[in-house]
Amino acid sequence: QSALTQPPSASGSPGQSVTISCSGTSRDVGAYDFVSWYQQHPGRAPKLMIYEVTKRPSGVPDRFSGSKSGNTASLTVSGLQAGDEADYYCTSSGGINTWVFGGGTKLTVL
Amino acid sequence: ELQLVESGGGLAQPGGSLRLSCAASGFTLSSYEMNWVRQAPGKGLEWVSHIDNSGRTINYADSVKGRFTISRDKAKDTLYLQMNSLRGEDTAVYYCARDGGRDGYHWAFDTWGQGTLVTVSS
Repeated sequence: QSALTQPPSASGSPGQSVTISCSGTSRDVGAYDFVSWYQQHPGRAPKLMIYEVTKRPSGVPDRFSGSKSGNTASLTVSGLQAGDEADYYCTSSGGINTWVFGGGTKLTVL
Repeated sequence: ELQLVESGGGLAQPGGSLRLSCAASGFTLSSYEMNWVRQAPGKGLEWVSHIDNSGRTINYADSVKGRFTISRDKAKDTLYLQMNSLRGEDTAVYYCARDGGRDGYHWAFDTWGQGTLVTVSS
């Protein structure tokens, strides 16, 4: 159950796009199309932004998109806004009814 | 509005025990598979445990296996986490999180509580 690897930080200017990577192994990210992404503002609970690699829950802007290639998943935030500044976490199934999280990426809007 | 509310956190001594509870409003908790996820101060999220609807299929992270027990009470519609043999590294905010599979959000946590802080210190 090793953590997935995310860059500790990412940044972009308002209106720009930024992509956050999430690297795993053939036993987690590469094995299942069950990668999800969460946004967490300071002092708040996480919020589901992307599930099953590419799908958005209702209410999540289409500026947020997900993808996967091999053992690496990615979250892209387009048209950056000040409110997007938060910590972002990926997670993947690590086997039946187990999950593994990434270490988190702090997104700064410059 | 869907809501989860955790309770039971607080200060415990190393080697001690605490029991966390999680109650729902806006939906029937017993209809969903549920999880506990924790976050140490200033650190990332860590999945802790999962329980299915029946309470018969249970999984734990290696870091808590043998010390923590997840359970649910259908009559009280409540989720629990019994934490024994607590260690300093168990200090964290503990969130209960709903598994969204029943509503199509497969293998994702679609609803989270606000968290309850557990501090393990002498």
